[in-house]
Amino acid sequence: DAGVIQSPRHEVTEMGQEVTLRCKPISGHDYLFWYRQTMMRGLELLIYFNNNVPIDDSGMPEDRFSAKMPNASFSTLKIQPSEPRDSAVYFCASSLESGGSTDTQYFGPGTRLTVL
Amino acid sequence: AQKITQTQPGMFVQEKEAVTLDCTYDTSDQSYGLFWYKQPSSGEMIFLIYQGSYDEQNATEGRYSLNFQKARKSANLVISASQLGDSAMYFCAMLTLLRGNNRLAFGKGNQVVVIP
Repeated sequence: DAGVIQSPRHEVTEMGQEVTLRCKPISGHDYLFWYRQTMMRGLELLIYFNNNVPIDDSGMPEDRFSAKMPNASFSTLKIQPSEPRDSAVYFCASSLESGGSTDTQYFGPGTRLTVL
Repeated sequence: AQKITQTQPGMFVQEKEAVTLDCTYDTSDQSYGLFWYKQPSSGEMIFLIYQGSYDEQNATEGRYSLNFQKARKSANLVISASQLGDSAMYFCAMLTLLRGNNRLAFGKGNQVVVIP
């Protein structure tokens, strides 16, 4: 079975440019999560969706960040305009929702973003 | 608010020996799940093991076992017979098992280096 798929794996861009990160969750999973990981702040939850609907976006840093999930198999995280402090590894994860061990979140390989 | 504490400094472990990684948590909820993830230098987050707060037996998954002490609010990970491929960061995480809440709280991680 395919796991969570993310693209691109690496992105280098210049300050002010728009960046779009993509994610395909595991088929059949109802929840999709976007995380950011930095050395200073560790793993931070940015936003999560349930059945394509955003449930909690309280972790989104500011208006420059936006996330969409147009269907059950695709989500995007967009940064516009990007800034050097956005440099981080961005993870997408997905899970079922039934309680117990099926709440396990499975992570994609991550996108390493560098903003110059 | 949920809080996960992992305070051990980086650890060096001899190959084939066992290692215990400490994790304590703080929650007022009665129903919750505890997770351990492994992050090797390649960067991906790999799910290892799950323990439910109502599970009477400690979880085991191959060489991984979870020493769950509910009264002490600790969920230590034990890796038996360490292998060189176990060198990684290990993250403890907790999820409150309430419908509508899927926020995983992560600790800051434990670094493990296995030496031959």
